[in-house]
Amino acid sequence: DAKTTQPNSMESNEEEPVHLPCNHSTISGTDYIHWYRQLPSQGPEYVIHGLTSNVNNRMASLAIAEDRKSSTLILHRATLRDAAVYYCIPRSGGFKTIFGAGTRLFVKA
Amino acid sequence: NAGVTQTPKFQVLKTGQSMTLQCAQDMNHEYMSWYRQDPGMGLRLIHYSVGAGITDQGEVPNGYNVSRSTTEDFPLRLLSAAPSQTSVYFCASSYQGGTSTDTQYFGPGTRLTVL
Repeated sequence: DAKTTQPNSMESNEEEPVHLPCNHSTISGTDYIHWYRQLPSQGPEYVIHGLTSNVNNRMASLAIAEDRKSSTLILHRATLRDAAVYYCIPRSGGFKTIFGAGTRLFVKA
Repeated sequence: NAGVTQTPKFQVLKTGQSMTLQCAQDMNHEYMSWYRQDPGMGLRLIHYSVGAGITDQGEVPNGYNVSRSTTEDFPLRLLSAAPSQTSVYFCASSYQGGTSTDTQYFGPGTRLTVL
């Protein structure tokens, strides 16, 4: 499985955009990049995933670098409810999903 | 749909006791899994199942048993609880589990303390 590097923590102001980076330089050509988040005292929840091109859904956008060695999760307008740990996970199709430590996002009012 | 449900929400055990953590899903998912999360850490995979009657080990299987007799249920058994098993346990399910696009749905967790 591809290894990932994410900042331990990031801080944002409410109503401003947040860009959460992830480095996955050892990713293989068929790995999809998944993002999950874990709100305080809850189980993780799926956010978004993509392969090569940028992806959008109601929760966030995912920007994938052309060489696929990094990606960025974009929250367009952070709210206090977005304070969570965000996990970037390359998936190759096996049955074992590996969660790293993720990035803890703090949102200031 | 209730999604993924877990019981109990909280449990305190004494060292050496056994117990079963329950997990159920109503989405007809083939793949189910158990994770543990220690304070300040990411999730670690304990066991997983790709369908009724089929289970396999994850990263940290020692001290835990699982079985999958139905599609809906995937209980996790602690045979003889140890303080090192104090953790939050999450159950998850997904449609198939083995594809690179499969997304997982997680339960709310069981917080276990072993004294």
